[in-house]
Amino acid sequence: NAGVMQNPRHLVRRRGQEARLRCSPMKGHSHVYWYRQLPEEGLKFMVYLQKENIIDESGMPKERFSAEFPKEGPSILRIQQVVRGDSAAYFCASSQERGSPLHFGNGTRLTVT
Amino acid sequence: EDQVTQSPEALRLQEGESSSLNCSYTVSGLRGLFWYRQDPGKGPEFLFTLYSAGEEKEKERLKATLTKKESFLHITAPKPEDSATYLCAVQGGRGYQKVTFGIGTKLQVIP
Repeated sequence: NAGVMQNPRHLVRRRGQEARLRCSPMKGHSHVYWYRQLPEEGLKFMVYLQKENIIDESGMPKERFSAEFPKEGPSILRIQQVVRGDSAAYFCASSQERGSPLHFGNGTRLTVT
Repeated sequence: EDQVTQSPEALRLQEGESSSLNCSYTVSGLRGLFWYRQDPGKGPEFLFTLYSAGEEKEKERLKATLTKKESFLHITAPKPEDSATYLCAVQGGRGYQKVTFGIGTKLQVIP
């Protein structure tokens, strides 16, 4: 029973490039969440999606960041024109339904040089 | 806005020395309170869900309890492999509410 799969585990981008982070939820889970974590800081909510719908994107910067969860395939978190401040660990989580515990992947560590 | 405060930020215990971690929360109608364990370089691992005051859950050396304002994670006779950061999170109950996390308590158990 595969858990939440995220790739790549590590991603290095130069300033101005695009970063694409992928997340495959656990089997049977249709709710996906993205969080960002900086050293010595907690997990900060970014966006909550269900298949083909964005439910809550209140934690995501309005510019340069976007997320999708298509009918087929993984959820994608896209960061355009990355800046050094985007360097962080990005975690994806999935749940079976609203109110169920979130199950996390091992994250993508983005480094912007 | 939902808030979660965890204390202490860091805790160092001798192997076998029992202790408790605290999670204080403010939420509009609690749908669920969650405890997670996070090891360095890994994602949070789900431990427990608590839904209502008075509820308790146990798993090996860990026991989680819940009141109307806070939750405790009790660690009995810890071992070095219990060393990790323990995260508390809450989800409100009115319609959809995102899951809000605390910063965590970093636990180190010394042999």
